[in-house]
Amino acid sequence: AQRVTQPEKLLSVFKGAPVELKCNYSYSGSPELFWYVQYSRQRLQLLLRHISRESIKGFTADLNKGETSFHLKKPFAQEEDSAMYYCALKQGAQKLVFGQGTRLTINP
Amino acid sequence: DTEVTQTPKHLVMGMTNKKSLKCEQHMGHRAMYWYKQKAKKPPELMFVYSYEKLSINESVPSRFSPECPNSSLLNLHLHALQPEDSALYLCASSRETGYTGELFFGEGSRLTVL
Repeated sequence: AQRVTQPEKLLSVFKGAPVELKCNYSYSGSPELFWYVQYSRQRLQLLLRHISRESIKGFTADLNKGETSFHLKKPFAQEEDSAMYYCALKQGAQKLVFGQGTRLTINP
Repeated sequence: DTEVTQTPKHLVMGMTNKKSLKCEQHMGHRAMYWYKQKAKKPPELMFVYSYEKLSINESVPSRFSPECPNSSLLNLHLHALQPEDSALYLCASSRETGYTGELFFGEGSRLTVL
């Protein structure tokens, strides 16, 4: 089955500490992976896509095909990073399937 | 205009009612989507429209009827819903379905079925 798994429902870290949100996938073929974020009272929005290899708001995510992972990382967490984060996998040309999500809380 | 707009924001309906959810975008996107999100769950795909034609129906019950009257508008017609259909309904759009890019989401319509 083609799916994406986020093993942590909740993650809490202190401000200034490193953050890693885990995402593992199973997909036959070349996966297209994304991280979406939903801040409090805001709409779901794209944070990162693996194909772009970019850093957004200090976050990076590297596709590791050997470990079938696409973990989201930030070296120094900020309070404004508190949000719901979804890892998403594109299935075929049209379907975007979301993981269960990780709620990240940054403590002051 | 770089937003997806959904109306109404909140809707309460009885099981015998007929209502519609509306979604609009003016970004020139040719793919539009309906997702359903239950509390504390991820969004689940319901329908995909590509160039105003229905291209994916994720085995959604017929009490949900999508419509794409033009490239900017997407409707979801609701009839004889069940209480378990209560959820946040999200509309999204993208440049095209094959495009490896961003889905732009609306804020959602929160539906309560009594």
